[in-house]
Amino acid sequence: EAGVAQSPRYKIIEKRQSVAFWCNPISGHATLYWYQQILGQGPKLLIQFQNNGVVDDSQLPKDRFSAERLKGVDSTLKIQPAKLEDSAVYLCASSLDGQQQYFGPGTRLTVT
Amino acid sequence: AQSVSQHNHHVILSEAASLELGCNYSYGGTVNLFWYVQYPGQHLQLLLKYFSGDPLVKGIKGFEAEFIKSKFSFNLRKPSVQWSDTAEYFCAVNEATGGGNKLTFGTGTQLKVEL
Repeated sequence: EAGVAQSPRYKIIEKRQSVAFWCNPISGHATLYWYQQILGQGPKLLIQFQNNGVVDDSQLPKDRFSAERLKGVDSTLKIQPAKLEDSAVYLCASSLDGQQQYFGPGTRLTVT
Repeated sequence: AQSVSQHNHHVILSEAASLELGCNYSYGGTVNLFWYVQYPGQHLQLLLKYFSGDPLVKGIKGFEAEFIKSKFSFNLRKPSVQWSDTAEYFCAVNEATGGGNKLTFGTGTQLKVEL
């Protein structure tokens, strides 16, 4: 069974630039999550999708972050404009039953 | 809001030593509990989980964890660590919310096992 795929694996941008991350969940998993993991901290949920609908985006900084999951499969997370404090690893996870989550390798973002 | 505390941020052990990593959570309702591990250069992987039943849960690679409801704890243990256990360990709690199940992570414990 293929795991959660993410791209790119690494990205370096300057502050005020925009960036987008892509996630392909495990086939058949209806629930998709985006997490932000800042160095030295645990992952923090940014947004949760159930199929193509948003379940929880309470911790998403909506002034600069946006996410979509068209057709209920792949998802993209965008940051525009980026700030220095956005430097982190962005993790995508998916779940079949809403309980156990499977994580992708993450995208390491460095904002300079 | 739910919070998860991992009291040990960095642990250094010699091979064959016993391991116990603490995890406490704040939510008083029904929870599912997880330990995830992240080996160097790899992604987060599930080590073990507790949903219900026997509070002593056995996971992969000889790890186990005990759920003590009265203490809001879910400590991870291994009787004899190996060098290959060097990794970062995250405790996580999943509470059923109105629209879905929200997973809250602790800050992680970096374990280094020395030969």
